[in-house]
This record gives sequence, C-alpha cells and structure tokens, in this order.
Amino acid sequence: SQQGEEDPQALSIQEGENATMNCSYKTSINNLQWYRQNSGRGLVHLILIRSNEREKHSGRLRVTLDTSKKSSSLLITASRAADTASYFCATDENQGGKLIFGQGTELSVKP
Amino acid sequence: GAGVSQSPSNKVTEKGKDVELRCDPISGHTALYWYRQSLGQGLEFLIYFQGNSAPDKSGLPSDRFSAERTGGSVSTLTIQRTQQEDSAVYLCASSPNPLGYEQYFGPGTRLTVT
Repeated sequence: SQQGEEDPQALSIQEGENATMNCSYKTSINNLQWYRQNSGRGLVHLILIRSNEREKHSGRLRVTLDTSKKSSSLLITASRAADTASYFCATDENQGGKLIFGQGTELSVKP
Repeated sequence: GAGVSQSPSNKVTEKGKDVELRCDPISGHTALYWYRQSLGQGLEFLIYFQGNSAPDKSGLPSDRFSAERTGGSVSTLTIQRTQQEDSAVYLCASSPNPLGYEQYFGPGTRLTVT
C-alpha cells in the first residue's frame, strides 16, 4: 500500500531556482526519509528526519516535518541540471524498518 | 566499500517460466529488503529479512513469490510461473539495523515477462 502522497507529480524549473516538493502520509511514523532516483533504477538516500525533529539540513537540502499535519517538505536550493531526477518520500512505521513510498515527484531542472 | 549488487540487471522471460533474482547486500548489514517498482503501482514493499529470518512477508503479492536469505548475506527472490503483471524493476536494499536507519539500494533487476 502507498502511504505517502506527493505533490507536485512533476516540477520543471530553471537552474538556480529553488524546488519544493511535498509529502503527506496517513499513520504515525518512526521517521521519514527522502530518496532520489535517476533513470528508474537504484534509489539514493538523501536525508532522514525522525518523528521528534522538525527541520533538518544537508547541503542544499532542507527537510521539514509536521507530525500534526502528517506532512513533510523537501526544499532543494540553487538547483542544478544534475538535480534532475525523481524524488520519493518514504515513511518508516517502525515495523522492522520497511519503507512505504510515495508516488514521487519528477523534477526537471533546465540549464 | 562495495554497495548492494543485484543480478541479473535485466531479465526477459516467457510467461509461465520461473525466475530467480539475486541480491548481495553490503557486508555486515543485518536487514535486507525487497521492493518492486512498476508503472501505476509505484514502489511496493515485498519482504524484509533480519538475518536469515523473514519477520515480514506481507508485501508478497501471491504464493508464486518466495524469497530466502542464507548466511545472513545473499538473498534470492523467486517468482514461479511468471505472469505479465510481474514485469517490473525489483529493487533490493540493505541496512545495518532495521530500526530507523537509511536503506542502501542496489541498481535493481528489470524483469520483462513476454
């Protein structure tokens, strides 16, 4: 079953602009993770935010988590063409670590 | 160090045949996961191993799907009597600990059932 709902489904921006992707989920979570996927193959972990955290930064990435609204956002600042990829949020419901993925946001950054 | 590897990278098979997909996790990672990614279904959890045991098989879509893990390392996912709807990318991931850690994904096996 898919827990995470992401929006937008697709996002096209110019290099240098910021990109914001949103994720909503339905049940209580242990943590929420964001992954990136290029060309429909392996996923790369970007950032993990625990349920007791509200904001986290990693380089050009900023993630927020609002457990009262069951939502998260991923902000990529000063985007680059190399950021073009699909981005997925995934929730860990503390059931052995299995992840429930959202449908993903397809980001296109034009040079 | 080496990441998660999967083989084969691509597999084309005829409907009704059995297939085996292999996953080599990162050495020392106790948790291993299988996911499936297909158009229209997104990324779906299939099965989770902690060591050699599978506490959670809830995502396996039918009894044609099975998986095992030996020596706390390599895992194989077997699909019997393949159907066209089994066509998807099968992704394996491992984690040093199942409790709230990031997962490291392999490149996937693209399965096409004709």
